[in-house]
Amino acid sequence: DIQMTQSPSSLSASVGDRVTITCRASQSINTYLNWYQHRPGKAPKLLIFGASNLQSGVPSRFSGGGSGTEFTLTINSLQPEDFATYYCQQSYSSLFTFGPGTKVDIK
Amino acid sequence: EVQLVESGGGLVQPGGSLRLSCAASGFSFSTSEMHWVRQAPGRGLEWVSYITSSSGTKYYADSVKGRFTISRDNAKNSVYLHMNSLRAEDTAIYYCVREGCNRARCSFDYWGQGALVTVSS
Repeated sequence: DIQMTQSPSSLSASVGDRVTITCRASQSINTYLNWYQHRPGKAPKLLIFGASNLQSGVPSRFSGGGSGTEFTLTINSLQPEDFATYYCQQSYSSLFTFGPGTKVDIK
Repeated sequence: EVQLVESGGGLVQPGGSLRLSCAASGFSFSTSEMHWVRQAPGRGLEWVSYITSSSGTKYYADSVKGRFTISRDNAKNSVYLHMNSLRAEDTAIYYCVREGCNRARCSFDYWGQGALVTVSS
């Protein structure tokens, strides 16, 4: 099975900051990598698919990059509604495993 | 508008059974592959199970294999998760999820609001 890791596990940031989260896969997954945002009490929301493609309706301050085994999610100019937990997910195999999550909270 | 509405959650004793249902609308359900994802209290998202549009292929996480069964009824636009031999560690919010594909890359593009399952005596 493909294992996913994320770093950091949590971070504190201020409104307006630029934030980068890293995700690593245990084997090469090409660009079969998705990013989700999960706010407490809400359903998770797809942000990025295929490593770098912005899902329709997602603000352009979110961007994704990488291929193979290492990927990044960058949030430019953090907004109050961006404080949440972010998960990467591999879609290379049909067992769509998630990373452990990165919690972004207010400094 | 796409909607996924879960039902059937609740309190169940260890060793008991429960069936979750998910009613879908607003998209072509019969051609969509569907998944269940869960989040235990204080934990991250965990993929649970997957079923193809025709029910021809089903996959399960190791943590539920042999205890949970996924099924669907395309005539009713519904997907189900049958949960047997429930354990305390199965306590979680269970989300019904649609798999959508764009530019040859697939992801979970629509999520239900979740159904809470609590396993406790």
